[in-house]
Amino acid sequence: NAGVMQNPRHLVRRRGQEARLRCSPMKGHSHVYWYRQLPEEGLKFMVYLQKENIIDESGMPKERFSAEFPKEGPSILRIQQVVRGDSAAYFCASSKSSYNEQFFGPGTRLTVL
Amino acid sequence: DQQVKQNSPSLSVQEGRISILNCDYTNSMFDYFLWYKKYPAEGPTFLISISSIKDKNEDGRFTVFLNKSAKHLSLHIVPSQPGDSAVYFCAASEPGGAGSYQLTFGKGTKLSVIP
Repeated sequence: NAGVMQNPRHLVRRRGQEARLRCSPMKGHSHVYWYRQLPEEGLKFMVYLQKENIIDESGMPKERFSAEFPKEGPSILRIQQVVRGDSAAYFCASSKSSYNEQFFGPGTRLTVL
Repeated sequence: DQQVKQNSPSLSVQEGRISILNCDYTNSMFDYFLWYKKYPAEGPTFLISISSIKDKNEDGRFTVFLNKSAKHLSLHIVPSQPGDSAVYFCAASEPGGAGSYQLTFGKGTKLSVIP
């Protein structure tokens, strides 16, 4: 009865490198959300995906950030050419439908040097 | 422009006493409110929620009160236990469309329960 899984838990990148964050939703959940938490801040919505579809990416920066949720495999949040301001905790959540409670994973802490 | 505000960054309470965590919101379209609890290095864990058609919801030691006219909600924990020490986030959502799944979070209140 695994919950939402995220890996890696910690990721260190140098400026200009790419970061790939993975999220496997809970069993039976087909809705995935990504949130970002900057230091001393609350979680901020980034993107909402269902299998093979991006439903809402209004909270995601227009450049360098992309997300996918393929038919097979985990959801991936990709950050290209990372900058120091990308350092944050990135949380993935999943739900059975868009109206059900969202269950969160443990997060990936990204540090950009 | 914060739509969900938790004005107390931290709160200390003696074990066995009541903990009261407060949350204010500005968006009158919010109709569903949730409290999440978060331990360090873990993700938020859903605790309790309340719909805007209610003014109180209780689950064991946890009770959430909603005052719509004041746009204020509070989480009461009675009795407080050392294991309750964590950061508590208030979150809200709107009915329908994007607002129904885009949870808007406050900045959190760090609760310390002193044995």
